[in-house]
Formats: sequence, C-alpha cells, structure tokens
Amino acid sequence: EDKVVQSPLSLVVHEGDTVTLNCSYEVTNFRSLLWYKQEKKAPTFLFMLTSSGIEKKSGRLSSILDKKELFSILNITATQTGDSAIYLCAHPPGGGSQGNLIFGKGTKLSVKP
Amino acid sequence: DAGVIQSPRHEVTEMGQEVTLRCKPISGHNSLFWYRQTMMRGLELLIYFNNNVPIDDSGMPEDRFSAKMPNASFSTLKIQPSEPRDSAVYFCASSLMSFNSPLHFGNGTRLTVT
Repeated sequence: EDKVVQSPLSLVVHEGDTVTLNCSYEVTNFRSLLWYKQEKKAPTFLFMLTSSGIEKKSGRLSSILDKKELFSILNITATQTGDSAIYLCAHPPGGGSQGNLIFGKGTKLSVKP
Repeated sequence: DAGVIQSPRHEVTEMGQEVTLRCKPISGHNSLFWYRQTMMRGLELLIYFNNNVPIDDSGMPEDRFSAKMPNASFSTLKIQPSEPRDSAVYFCASSLMSFNSPLHFGNGTRLTVT
C-alpha cells in the first residue's frame, strides 16, 4: 500500500535558524513527489519533484528527491515567523493524476521571534 | 483569478441533519477533488471528478456521503444524515488534468456536527 511518512511531526525553532523537514514514501509506480505549505487555511503548492538529485529552489526554500532511498527533504534557511505552517508531503498513488494524492500527516513548524 | 471558492466557510449542525458543501473550481480546470482533513487522519481524498465525471469515489467513507458535479463550474458534497464523527475541514481542490498541474485548494469548510 502506498504511503507517505513525514518527520518530525512538529518542530519549534527561532528566527534565523535553518530547518530540514523529511518525507519518506513507499509507492508502487512513482511519478512525482509534491510539497505543500498549509497556513491557516488552504494548502498551497510549493514544489513538484520528479527526478533524483535535482534541487528545486524558491527563495529560502529548497527541496530535493532521492528516488533510490525513497525520501525527500525540504530545507528552509534563515527562517522567519511567516514560515510557521504545516508542511505537507504528498504523491499520486499508482502513478495516477496529480490531484489524486496521498498526503503525509505533515510537519508543524513554529518559528519563534 | 478568484481561486477555488467554497461555501459555507463554517457549518455547525446537529446529528442527523443533512449537510451540503459547495465548491466552484477555478475556471478552465477540468479536475475537481474533495478532501477531508482531521487531526487523526490528516488530508484524505474522498472523491474526484474529471470533466464532471466521478472517477474514483473509493475514499467516500460510506453511503451517507455523496458528491455531484452537474457542470464544470459547480460541485456539491452532501452528508445525509450527518454524524459527530463527520466533523472535519472539507477541502475542494481543482487542477488541470495534466501531469504537471498542481492542485489548487479552496479555503475549506469547517464542519461541526453536534
């Protein structure tokens, strides 16, 4: 059965710290791995990863995929209070549509001033 | 772009009552998804539609749940009768039916069944 496991479940850091969030997955027919950020309301799309070793970057956020070891990491450098959110990792099971996703439980990040 | 629009934002109802949640996807998106989020189970897919046709409803918990998409710009999720364990945030999301198209979520409906 396809699944996504995220760690840690929660994390508290101070502004300026660098954090690494982890996502491991088991999937029968890999196509992609996605990261979303959920603040108070709707999850918003961050990255889609399809190839091993290629870093996706957006400002202070970056992510990379290791298809051999079946995991991905999301890095946030120089964290700010606005980075406080739940970060969700997901993949489409069985190579299905990008919207038919299995989500991990998320990592709740709290950034203290 | 108005984004995915859901209504109501909050719904409080008594056990046994019928609840209808509504969703307007982003114009031009041809896939629509209903998700449910709880603390215990996280985000779970309930059902999704491609071009208004239900494709996979295996996530619908039981017969009390039903979803329709009468046209490309509107979908409903109905719970009848509602139970306290249905309390959750229900998200609607839409996307283009292509590999590289990410999901766009609405702001959700927080349902409380007492």
